[in-house]
Amino acid sequence: GAGVSQSPSNKVTEKGKDVELRCDPISGHTALYWYRQRLGQGLEFLIYFQGNSAPDKSGLPSDRFSAERTGESVSTLTIQRTQQEDSAVYLCASSLGVHMEGKLFFGSGTQLSVL
Amino acid sequence: GDSVTQMEGPVTLSEEAFLTINCTYTATGYPSLFWYVQYPGEGLQLLLKATKADDKGSNKGFEATYRKETTSFHLEKGSVQVSDSAVYFCALSERSQGNLIFGKGTKLSVKP
Repeated sequence: GAGVSQSPSNKVTEKGKDVELRCDPISGHTALYWYRQRLGQGLEFLIYFQGNSAPDKSGLPSDRFSAERTGESVSTLTIQRTQQEDSAVYLCASSLGVHMEGKLFFGSGTQLSVL
Repeated sequence: GDSVTQMEGPVTLSEEAFLTINCTYTATGYPSLFWYVQYPGEGLQLLLKATKADDKGSNKGFEATYRKETTSFHLEKGSVQVSDSAVYFCALSERSQGNLIFGKGTKLSVKP
């Protein structure tokens, strides 16, 4: 596609439920990143993929968070047993390669609200 | 660990005013430095970058110089426009790492 697409754009869920957030990167981009932005905070790195592999998972906040990528394309971020502190905007970005000198293309994000 | 600190906003300026948004960093190696911008309703996009000390990045009238001695990368523009209203993020990356580290963002509002 023309840009990075994320869905849904907004998600309201109840505490304890599982949610899945989807990211469609720009076609041909081998690197894909997930960030989280809590209200009033900066972007918090969660995980990145090189192809379908995730070399660095150290940013995932807890074992309730997981992510996968298939076909060097779509990625899904799953949050199990959601908590209120998970409420944030979840941003996905892609780039031609991992070390492409910082030129990331971002989606518009998924606003997650946990009640 | 590596980190980025930028001035807190919001910053409100009149059109044609001079803009400075301060950014300092902490890094173990020799990072590349970036400014990203997020216009209302849009995703973050790269504004400018500098990959080594004393480099100056520039785009759309904005400039930032990589100052190793002061570990800074301040964003400047000589005459802001209403259309520059956005949130600006300073960021760094190290070659040994795969991700960008961002500051908290500074919201700029330019009034006509």
